[in-house]
Amino acid sequence: GESVGLHLPTLSVQEGDNSIINCAYSNSASDYFIWYKQESGKGPQFIIDIRSNMDKRQGQRVTVLLNKTVKHLSLQIAATQPGDSAVYFCAEKNGDSSYKLIFGSGTRLLVRP
Amino acid sequence: DAGVIQSPRHEVTEMGQEVTLRCKPISGHNSLFWYRQTMMRGLELLIYFNNNVPIDDSGMPEDRFSAKMPNASFSTLKIQPSEPRDSAVYFCASTVRGRSYSYTFGSGTRLTVV
Repeated sequence: GESVGLHLPTLSVQEGDNSIINCAYSNSASDYFIWYKQESGKGPQFIIDIRSNMDKRQGQRVTVLLNKTVKHLSLQIAATQPGDSAVYFCAEKNGDSSYKLIFGSGTRLLVRP
Repeated sequence: DAGVIQSPRHEVTEMGQEVTLRCKPISGHNSLFWYRQTMMRGLELLIYFNNNVPIDDSGMPEDRFSAKMPNASFSTLKIQPSEPRDSAVYFCASTVRGRSYSYTFGSGTRLTVV
């Protein structure tokens, strides 16, 4: 892929298994979090978001969990498919009025057929 | 909806040349962001606009970089003069301030400065 390089942590899973991608954030004042998916040669694509007043949110095949005590975010993908292979980024927004999103370094997900 | 449109998709230029990257946000979106993505630094926010006004340019690397948004449907990111370390993928994203924090990204411009 063109978008990111060789130094990303990589998670390899078997097709059909569940995937869990983790993210640690640093700013305790962050009040909103997003997961993005980036496929090779494309821009990041929104998957799911969660506000800091929640600890879990579910979408279609995806669940985001937020643990504010340890400043940890996770993305769970159920029944992982080959099309889920991509780089996944978490992003946080500071609890101010700005619309700035700060992105994490990303995790590469590889789905084995 | 055509999404966020960036041009060109690829740009190769020689060191010292001026480079202009272009972005058309989604119609109706009033916030626009420019990000740079590299292997070493990941996705970095360069600058963002609300209602065509630059709000925060603290991420702009240096004076060689400038960005404009003359109207709600067009923005440019200019590098003059370009240097090899500017080689990266540059993304534009937009959203509707007051409605959503989730951005829609364009497909990016891959810039190579030789």
